Amino acid sequence: DSGVTQTPKHLITATGQRVTLRCSPRSGDLSVYWYQQSLDQGLQFLIQYYNGEERAKGNILERFSAQQFPDLHSELNLSSLELGDSALYFCASSAKITGQGKYEQYFGPGTRLTVT
Amino acid sequence: AQSVAQPEDQVNVAEGNPLTVKCTYSVSGNPYLFWYVQYPNRGLQFLLKYITGDNLVKGSYGFEAEFNKSQTSFHLKKPSALVSDSALYFCAVRAASISSGSARQLTFGSGTQLTVLP
Repeated sequence: DSGVTQTPKHLITATGQRVTLRCSPRSGDLSVYWYQQSLDQGLQFLIQYYNGEERAKGNILERFSAQQFPDLHSELNLSSLELGDSALYFCASSAKITGQGKYEQYFGPGTRLTVT
Repeated sequence: AQSVAQPEDQVNVAEGNPLTVKCTYSVSGNPYLFWYVQYPNRGLQFLLKYITGDNLVKGSYGFEAEFNKSQTSFHLKKPSALVSDSALYFCAVRAASISSGSARQLTFGSGTQLTVLP
């Protein structure tokens, strides 16, 4: 168990809908990362937040947005869903600047999104 | 831009034999390198990392990896494979310098499916 939690585990929704995925990082971790894993695109970085602020952006569509709240949990919002958005969405967190384990990211179990 | 190549989609090895999963990378400046393992319907688990220092790094479950700067490689190895090692393995890289926003992110390879045969 990595200590990163994600809800829900599974989500089935229809095209055009909007969903919210939730992530709680490991205790004390300030950085949260979102990734999308699909068969055709592999594992792709979407966005990173650090202590409530956006820090880096990857291949995130304009229909997708994220935020990190004061309690450090993060939400990924996916709107106007398309069939191609079906994927496994992972959240990861990493430690504060100082201390051991400050470079690697610890992944949650993922949310499997199916768009029908 | 940073990138990772895992040239083998599939690696098969007999139980008890040594295994190697290959990884080469491209990044500006010095790299931070990582290996993760993913079991079916599970998240990625961190195995080991190279940040600096000794080129041979040891990680979880008896795995180790060798950093070779001249060949820009970071191959994952284990002296004696177990059936339970069968899983999907990912190599990842990020630049050591964090001067730019994109440098903080991990870039993953496409993954290598390891199958250990009993």
